Amino acid sequence: GAVVSQHPSWVICKSGTSVKIECRSLDFQATTMFWYRQFPKQSLMLMATSNEGSKATYEQGVEKDKFLINHASLTLSTLTVTSAHPEDSSFYICSAISSGGTDTQYFGPGTRLTVL
Amino acid sequence: SQKIEQNSEALNIQEGKTATLTCNYTNYSPAYLQWYRQDPGRGPVFLLLIRENEKEKRKERLKVTFDTTLKQSLFHITASQPADSATYLCAGDTGRRALTFGSGTRLQVQP
Repeated sequence: GAVVSQHPSWVICKSGTSVKIECRSLDFQATTMFWYRQFPKQSLMLMATSNEGSKATYEQGVEKDKFLINHASLTLSTLTVTSAHPEDSSFYICSAISSGGTDTQYFGPGTRLTVL
Repeated sequence: SQKIEQNSEALNIQEGKTATLTCNYTNYSPAYLQWYRQDPGRGPVFLLLIRENEKEKRKERLKVTFDTTLKQSLFHITASQPADSATYLCAGDTGRRALTFGSGTRLQVQP
């Protein structure tokens, strides 16, 4: 149980284009999902908290107009990187907490974004 | 600011020995800590969660402790195997259900 999937697993795009990443909780409902970013040889950094049916909460320094988050249902959150630039190249990982009350965060397998 | 520190970047041990990884927290008191395993190019895999009122937790060959006096958690893998080689991440809650992560310790178990 407690499986989180991400799609795509990797994407290469040209500078200036937008990329959408999906995060799904497969066998549980998640009222809260999180988006993290991990640069090479660094740890995970929280970008934003996504709550179903409401606006996402962004961490300081993360541009909300650049990283659009939508949490349309209890099993799906999407992150859209708009007008991507090479410095946005990173490993994007989502996580989810079950709405059943546990504090355990389950992570997706990650999406490798490369912007040329 | 809330900080989680894993001071050992890498740890090499022989197969069969016990690996002990350290996690320290500063400038706050997390209500719980979570330990994850991360393999290269993959997302973290949940291992154990321990709350501040729990001294110790076990799961198979894994054991984690939480010492609020030392502000430290220790993560042990007993009877280590080469398949245990990975990066292990310690993370503390931020009070908003998100996690703040340490930089990780890369464990290498030699056969």
